[in-house]
Amino acid sequence: GAVVSQHPSWVICKSGTSVKIECRSLDFQATTMFWYRQFPKQSLMLMATSNEGSKATYEQGVEKDKFLINHASLTLSTLTVTSAHPEDSSFYICSARVAGGNEKLFFGSGTQLSVL
Amino acid sequence: QKEVEQNSGPLSVPEGAIASLNCTYSDRGSQSFFWYRQYSGKSPELIMSIYSNGDKEDGRFTAQLNKASQYVSLLIRDSQPSDSATYLCAAAGGTSYGKLTFGQGTILTVHP
Repeated sequence: GAVVSQHPSWVICKSGTSVKIECRSLDFQATTMFWYRQFPKQSLMLMATSNEGSKATYEQGVEKDKFLINHASLTLSTLTVTSAHPEDSSFYICSARVAGGNEKLFFGSGTQLSVL
Repeated sequence: QKEVEQNSGPLSVPEGAIASLNCTYSDRGSQSFFWYRQYSGKSPELIMSIYSNGDKEDGRFTAQLNKASQYVSLLIRDSQPSDSATYLCAAAGGTSYGKLTFGQGTILTVHP
Protein backbone atom coordinates (compact mmCIF):
# COMPACT_ATOMS: atom_id res chain seq x y z
CA GLY A 1 0.00 0.00 0.00
CA ALA A 2 0.89 3.67 -0.21
CA VAL A 3 3.22 5.07 2.44
CA VAL A 4 2.44 8.21 4.37
CA SER A 5 5.15 9.55 6.65
CA GLN A 6 4.25 11.78 9.58
CA HIS A 7 6.48 13.39 12.13
CA PRO A 8 7.19 14.08 14.81
CA SER A 9 5.67 10.99 16.44
CA TRP A 10 5.27 12.82 19.70
CA VAL A 11 5.86 16.29 20.97
CA ILE A 12 5.64 17.96 24.35
CA CYS A 13 5.40 21.71 24.42
CA LYS A 14 4.62 24.55 26.76
CA SER A 15 1.28 26.30 26.66
CA GLY A 16 1.31 29.22 24.24
CA THR A 17 3.90 27.80 21.85
CA SER A 18 3.27 26.61 18.31
CA VAL A 19 3.86 23.12 17.00
CA LYS A 20 4.26 22.05 13.38
CA ILE A 21 3.41 18.54 12.20
CA GLU A 22 4.51 17.29 8.78
CA CYS A 23 2.80 14.74 6.60
CA ARG A 24 4.48 13.38 3.47
CA SER A 25 3.32 10.94 0.84
CA LEU A 26 6.46 8.97 0.01
CA ASP A 27 5.63 6.97 -3.08
CA PHE A 28 2.68 8.76 -4.59
CA GLN A 29 1.33 12.22 -5.20
CA ALA A 30 -1.49 13.34 -2.96
CA THR A 31 -3.55 16.25 -4.22
CA THR A 32 -5.72 15.89 -1.13
CA MET A 33 -4.70 15.13 2.41
CA PHE A 34 -6.86 15.00 5.50
CA TRP A 35 -6.08 15.91 9.08
CA TYR A 36 -7.82 14.06 11.89
CA ARG A 37 -7.76 14.43 15.65
CA GLN A 38 -8.43 11.61 18.06
CA PHE A 39 -8.99 11.94 21.78
CA PRO A 40 -8.47 8.90 24.03
CA LYS A 41 -11.04 6.15 23.50
CA GLN A 42 -12.80 8.17 20.81
CA SER A 43 -12.97 7.86 17.08
CA LEU A 44 -11.22 9.96 14.50
CA MET A 45 -12.71 13.38 13.93
CA LEU A 46 -11.94 15.11 10.67
CA MET A 47 -10.48 18.56 11.23
CA ALA A 48 -9.79 19.75 7.72
CA THR A 49 -9.19 18.77 4.13
CA SER A 50 -5.91 19.98 2.70
CA ASN A 51 -5.78 20.68 -1.01
CA GLU A 52 -2.50 21.21 -2.84
CA GLY A 53 -2.13 24.79 -3.95
CA SER A 54 -5.30 26.08 -2.36
CA LYS A 55 -6.78 26.89 1.01
CA ALA A 56 -7.75 24.09 3.32
CA THR A 57 -11.39 23.33 3.99
CA TYR A 58 -12.14 23.19 7.70
CA GLU A 59 -14.87 21.22 9.41
CA GLN A 60 -17.44 23.00 11.48
CA GLY A 61 -16.13 23.99 14.86
CA VAL A 62 -12.44 23.82 13.89
CA GLU A 63 -10.66 27.17 14.20
CA LYS A 64 -8.78 27.86 11.00
CA ASP A 65 -6.62 30.51 12.67
CA LYS A 66 -5.54 28.08 15.33
CA PHE A 67 -4.89 25.06 13.13
CA LEU A 68 -2.96 26.34 10.15
CA ILE A 69 -2.70 23.98 7.21
CA ASN A 70 -0.30 24.37 4.33
CA HIS A 71 -0.23 22.01 1.36
CA ALA A 72 2.62 23.48 -0.62
CA SER A 73 3.41 20.48 -2.81
CA LEU A 74 1.87 17.25 -4.01
CA THR A 75 3.74 15.30 -1.36
CA LEU A 76 3.72 17.54 1.72
CA SER A 77 1.07 18.97 3.99
CA THR A 78 1.75 20.61 7.34
CA LEU A 79 -0.47 21.31 10.31
CA THR A 80 0.62 24.02 12.73
CA VAL A 81 -1.11 24.22 16.08
CA THR A 82 -0.69 27.84 17.07
CA SER A 83 -0.66 29.04 20.66
CA ALA A 84 -1.27 25.53 21.89
CA HIS A 85 -3.16 24.98 25.13
CA PRO A 86 -3.61 21.84 27.24
CA GLU A 87 -7.01 21.18 25.66
CA ASP A 88 -5.24 20.81 22.30
CA SER A 89 -3.43 17.75 23.63
CA SER A 90 -4.52 14.93 21.37
CA PHE A 91 -3.41 12.39 18.78
CA TYR A 92 -3.21 14.09 15.38
CA ILE A 93 -3.24 11.89 12.30
CA CYS A 94 -2.84 12.83 8.66
CA SER A 95 -4.02 10.76 5.77
CA ALA A 96 -3.81 10.87 2.03
CA ARG A 97 -5.98 9.52 -0.70
CA VAL A 98 -4.43 7.82 -3.66
CA ALA A 99 -5.71 9.21 -6.94
CA GLY A 100 -8.10 6.70 -8.47
CA GLY A 101 -7.95 4.64 -5.33
CA ASN A 102 -11.68 4.49 -4.67
CA GLU A 103 -11.40 6.83 -1.72
CA LYS A 104 -9.08 4.57 0.23
CA LEU A 105 -7.17 6.51 2.83
CA PHE A 106 -3.68 5.69 4.00
CA PHE A 107 -2.67 7.10 7.32
CA GLY A 108 0.49 8.55 8.71
CA SER A 109 1.77 7.15 11.99
CA GLY A 110 0.21 9.95 14.01
CA THR A 111 1.57 12.62 16.33
CA GLN A 112 0.83 12.59 20.04
CA LEU A 113 0.79 16.19 21.21
CA SER A 114 0.99 16.97 24.90
CA VAL A 115 0.68 20.61 25.92
CA LEU A 116 1.83 21.38 29.45
CA GLN B 1 -28.09 10.39 15.04
CA LYS B 2 -24.50 9.38 14.38
CA GLU B 3 -23.68 9.04 10.71
CA VAL B 4 -21.75 5.81 11.20
CA GLU B 5 -22.51 3.71 14.21
CA GLN B 6 -20.83 0.55 15.43
CA ASN B 7 -21.85 -1.98 18.04
CA SER B 8 -20.35 -0.54 21.15
CA GLY B 9 -18.49 -3.55 22.47
CA PRO B 10 -16.09 -4.26 23.90
CA LEU B 11 -16.20 -7.64 22.23
CA SER B 12 -14.33 -10.58 23.69
CA VAL B 13 -13.90 -13.89 21.88
CA PRO B 14 -11.73 -16.93 22.51
CA GLU B 15 -8.80 -17.71 20.25
CA GLY B 16 -9.92 -19.58 17.15
CA ALA B 17 -13.49 -18.27 17.25
CA ILE B 18 -15.24 -16.00 14.77
CA ALA B 19 -15.44 -12.33 15.72
CA SER B 20 -18.35 -10.40 14.24
CA LEU B 21 -18.23 -6.62 14.04
CA ASN B 22 -21.22 -4.61 12.89
CA CYS B 23 -21.76 -1.13 11.52
CA THR B 24 -24.71 0.90 10.27
CA TYR B 25 -24.68 4.15 8.37
CA SER B 26 -27.27 6.86 7.88
CA ASP B 27 -26.26 8.46 4.57
CA ARG B 28 -27.98 6.32 1.95
CA GLY B 29 -25.79 7.88 -0.73
CA SER B 30 -22.60 6.41 0.75
CA GLN B 31 -20.77 4.39 -1.86
CA SER B 32 -17.57 3.10 -0.28
CA PHE B 33 -17.02 1.35 3.00
CA PHE B 34 -13.87 0.50 4.87
CA TRP B 35 -12.72 -1.38 7.91
CA TYR B 36 -9.62 -0.16 9.70
CA ARG B 37 -7.75 -1.76 12.56
CA GLN B 38 -6.13 0.48 15.15
CA TYR B 39 -3.77 -0.67 17.85
CA SER B 40 -3.46 1.47 20.95
CA GLY B 41 -1.34 4.54 20.29
CA LYS B 42 -1.04 3.77 16.59
CA SER B 43 -2.75 5.11 13.51
CA PRO B 44 -5.43 3.12 11.66
CA GLU B 45 -4.47 0.42 9.19
CA LEU B 46 -6.75 -0.46 6.30
CA ILE B 47 -8.00 -4.04 6.43
CA MET B 48 -10.83 -4.22 3.95
CA SER B 49 -12.74 -2.08 1.51
CA ILE B 50 -16.11 -2.96 -0.01
CA TYR B 51 -18.16 -1.14 -2.58
CA SER B 52 -20.95 -3.45 -3.73
CA ASN B 53 -23.57 -5.56 -2.01
CA GLY B 54 -22.55 -9.00 -0.87
CA ASP B 55 -19.48 -10.55 0.65
CA LYS B 56 -15.82 -9.86 0.06
CA GLU B 57 -13.23 -12.21 1.47
CA ASP B 58 -9.55 -11.60 2.10
CA GLY B 59 -7.77 -14.30 4.07
CA ARG B 60 -9.39 -14.60 7.49
CA PHE B 61 -11.44 -11.44 6.95
CA THR B 62 -14.85 -11.20 5.29
CA ALA B 63 -16.64 -7.90 4.79
CA GLN B 64 -20.37 -7.89 4.12
CA LEU B 65 -22.37 -5.00 2.71
CA ASN B 66 -26.13 -4.59 2.51
CA LYS B 67 -26.99 -1.19 1.09
CA ALA B 68 -30.74 -1.71 1.45
CA SER B 69 -30.31 -2.17 5.18
CA GLN B 70 -27.43 0.32 5.34
CA TYR B 71 -25.37 -2.27 7.11
CA VAL B 72 -21.73 -3.30 6.94
CA SER B 73 -20.05 -6.05 8.86
CA LEU B 74 -16.63 -7.61 9.30
CA LEU B 75 -16.09 -11.23 10.21
CA ILE B 76 -12.73 -12.41 11.48
CA ARG B 77 -12.31 -16.18 11.31
CA ASP B 78 -9.87 -18.12 13.45
CA SER B 79 -9.34 -15.08 15.67
CA GLN B 80 -5.85 -14.64 17.08
CA PRO B 81 -4.67 -12.65 20.10
CA SER B 82 -2.86 -10.38 17.64
CA ASP B 83 -6.27 -9.39 16.27
CA SER B 84 -7.00 -7.63 19.56
CA ALA B 85 -7.43 -3.98 18.61
CA THR B 86 -10.03 -1.32 17.96
CA TYR B 87 -11.85 -1.78 14.67
CA LEU B 88 -13.14 1.29 12.90
CA CYS B 89 -15.87 1.27 10.29
CA ALA B 90 -15.84 4.14 7.79
CA ALA B 91 -18.11 5.28 4.98
CA ALA B 92 -17.43 7.62 2.08
CA GLY B 93 -19.41 9.22 -0.69
CA GLY B 94 -22.96 10.49 -0.56
CA THR B 95 -23.28 13.93 0.99
CA SER B 96 -19.71 13.80 2.28
CA TYR B 97 -18.05 12.97 -1.00
CA GLY B 98 -14.30 12.68 -0.71
CA LYS B 99 -14.32 12.41 3.07
CA LEU B 100 -14.42 9.39 5.29
CA THR B 101 -16.80 9.35 8.23
CA PHE B 102 -15.72 7.01 10.99
CA GLY B 103 -17.73 5.11 13.53
CA GLN B 104 -16.75 5.22 17.16
CA GLY B 105 -14.90 1.93 16.97
CA THR B 106 -15.34 -1.48 18.55
CA ILE B 107 -12.70 -2.83 20.89
CA LEU B 108 -12.01 -6.51 20.20
CA THR B 109 -10.15 -8.73 22.63
CA VAL B 110 -9.15 -12.23 21.62
CA HIS B 111 -8.16 -14.25 24.66
CA PRO B 112 -6.01 -17.38 24.52
